[in-house]
Amino acid sequence: EAGVAQSPRYKIIEKRQSVAFWCNPISGHATLYWYQQILGQGPKLLIQFQNNGVVDDSQLPKDRFSAERLKGVDSTLKIQPAKLEDSAVYLCASSSRTGGPDTQYFGPGTRLTVL
Amino acid sequence: GQSLEQPSEVTAVEGAIVQINCTYQTSGFYGLSWYQQHDGGAPTFLSYNGLDGLEETGRFSSFLSRSDSYGYLLLQELQMKDSASYFCAVQGGKLIFGQGTELSVKP
Repeated sequence: EAGVAQSPRYKIIEKRQSVAFWCNPISGHATLYWYQQILGQGPKLLIQFQNNGVVDDSQLPKDRFSAERLKGVDSTLKIQPAKLEDSAVYLCASSSRTGGPDTQYFGPGTRLTVL
Repeated sequence: GQSLEQPSEVTAVEGAIVQINCTYQTSGFYGLSWYQQHDGGAPTFLSYNGLDGLEETGRFSSFLSRSDSYGYLLLQELQMKDSASYFCAVQGGKLIFGQGTELSVKP
């Protein structure tokens, strides 16, 4: 079974530029998450999708961050414009949420550096 | 609000046993999960405790006490490959991660 795929793996941009990240979850997983992980900290949930609907985006900085999950499969996360403090690893995860514990499967992440 | 506390770093030697504690304050608590993350890698699921008591998976065990808002991860027969960050995470409506404990295993 293929895991969660993310691209690009690394991205370096100047502040005020825009950037987009892509995620393809495990096949059949209805729930998809985007996390931000700043160096030395735990992952922080940005947005959660159930199929193509948003379940939780309470911690998404909506003035600059946006995300979509068209057709309930792939997802993109966009930052526009980027700030220095956005430098972090952006992790995508998916789960089947079949009623038991929500075991989340993470992708390798995109390491973003904002200069 | 929600908060989790775990030690920032722990050091142990190969073959030893180490316990990583986690205390939490949260509303809407369903259970406690543990994830492992190697440097530069993705977090991977280790265990979940939905009920009080001990869950064992090979060399790793996890414990939960709901009344004490406390849990721990126990790693036995430590190996060099166990050097990683370990995160406890509260499962409520969403998963809230702690800051992580960096485990260094020395020869």
